[in-house]
Amino acid sequence: DLQMTQSPSSLSASVGDRVTITCRASQSITNYLHWYQQKPGKAPKLLIYAASSLQSGVPSRFSGSGSGTDFTLTISNLQPEDFATYYCQQSYSTPRTFGQGTKVEIK
Amino acid sequence: QVQLQESGPGLVKPSETLSLTCTVSGGSVSSGSYYWSWIRQPPGKRLEWIGYIYYSGSTNYNPSLKSRVTISVDTSKNQFSLKLSSVTAADTAVYYCARLNPLTMDPFDYWGQGTLVTVSS
Repeated sequence: DLQMTQSPSSLSASVGDRVTITCRASQSITNYLHWYQQKPGKAPKLLIYAASSLQSGVPSRFSGSGSGTDFTLTISNLQPEDFATYYCQQSYSTPRTFGQGTKVEIK
Repeated sequence: QVQLQESGPGLVKPSETLSLTCTVSGGSVSSGSYYWSWIRQPPGKRLEWIGYIYYSGSTNYNPSLKSRVTISVDTSKNQFSLKLSSVTAADTAVYYCARLNPLTMDPFDYWGQGTLVTVSS
């Protein structure tokens, strides 16, 4: 299976900070990479698809970049509602796999 | 706005079959544009893709679960379903249904709220 590894596993940040989360694939997935936000007790929400395209309705402070094996999710000007866990997911091959998650906590 | 809603028993005994249904509203499972998926999340663990189905009945399963999984679709009820046989405690998880969108490189763009299934005697 294609392995997805996120770093860091958790981070503490303040409102207004710029936050960057990294996702690495065990082999090239071109840009078949998506990012989700999950809040406690809720379903994941799609933020970014195809590595860098913003899902409709998602604030522009979220952005994604990368291709091949290395990808980043950036949250500029962190807002109180952004404290959550973030997951990357590849759709390059079956089985579809997710990263282990990055928990963004309030400093 | 597409909405998905999971339903089914919250408690299943070991060795029995887990059965869940996902009801879709605001969209049609008969749409040839999307695939309909099941994903689970064991407590404190990462998300795990189980499989998906196309309206025609064509399926694709996670090889790690393939021998125990059946996903089916009922276009007349606008629903799709999951059956997982011979369950153990390791199958305890929140189960989500979701829409896979091949038009945007296959992300899961709409999700149900999830339902917790506990495997215990």
